[in-house]
Amino acid sequence: SQQGEEDPQALSIQEGENATMNCSYKTSINNLQWYRQNSGRGLVHLILIRSNEREKHSGRLRVTLDTSKKSSSLLITASRAADTASYFCATGDYGNNRLAFGKGNQVVVIP
Amino acid sequence: DTGVSQDPRHKITKRGQNVTFRCDPISEHNRLYWYRQTLGQGPEFLTYFQNEAQLEKSRLLSDRFSAERPKGSFSTLEIQRTEQGDSAMYLCASSYGDSSYEQYFGPGTRLTVT
Repeated sequence: SQQGEEDPQALSIQEGENATMNCSYKTSINNLQWYRQNSGRGLVHLILIRSNEREKHSGRLRVTLDTSKKSSSLLITASRAADTASYFCATGDYGNNRLAFGKGNQVVVIP
Repeated sequence: DTGVSQDPRHKITKRGQNVTFRCDPISEHNRLYWYRQTLGQGPEFLTYFQNEAQLEKSRLLSDRFSAERPKGSFSTLEIQRTEQGDSAMYLCASSYGDSSYEQYFGPGTRLTVT
């Protein structure tokens, strides 16, 4: 079943601006992951944050995790046209082997 | 190793026909997953293998669906008596371990049932 729910669903920004997406979930998690999917391509893993971590950085990406609010945010700084894609959060549960994906955020970066 | 590969990339079939998809995972990964993704939705878990053993199946996987992973290498997903509702992107992923590890996805097989 889908656990993650991203907010907002669609975002259109100018190149160079920052893009922020949020994700909420309902159950206890072991980790939360963000994936990117370009049109016509498969999902690409971006970043993984574990339940005992609060913030993580990878290049232009910054992820936060608030387990008390059961929410996460993904920030893309200095966006580029190549960042145009759908972004999904996915949660991994303790003792579970599946990832539960949200519905995704569509981000369009205008050159 | 160039990543997870899937074949075919596209499949168009008539309702009632059987179809089979293949997934070749990253060679050193012992876990292989199948997901289904419909338009505007995130991937939904179908089943997963650890080596050759199929250890979990979603209730989405009806009796018409069967998956195998002989010898713990490539995997096949077969859909019998296809229905229009089976039209979707079928994604395969592999990983080193359970859901605490990142998963590497293939490009998917897009199935259209007419």
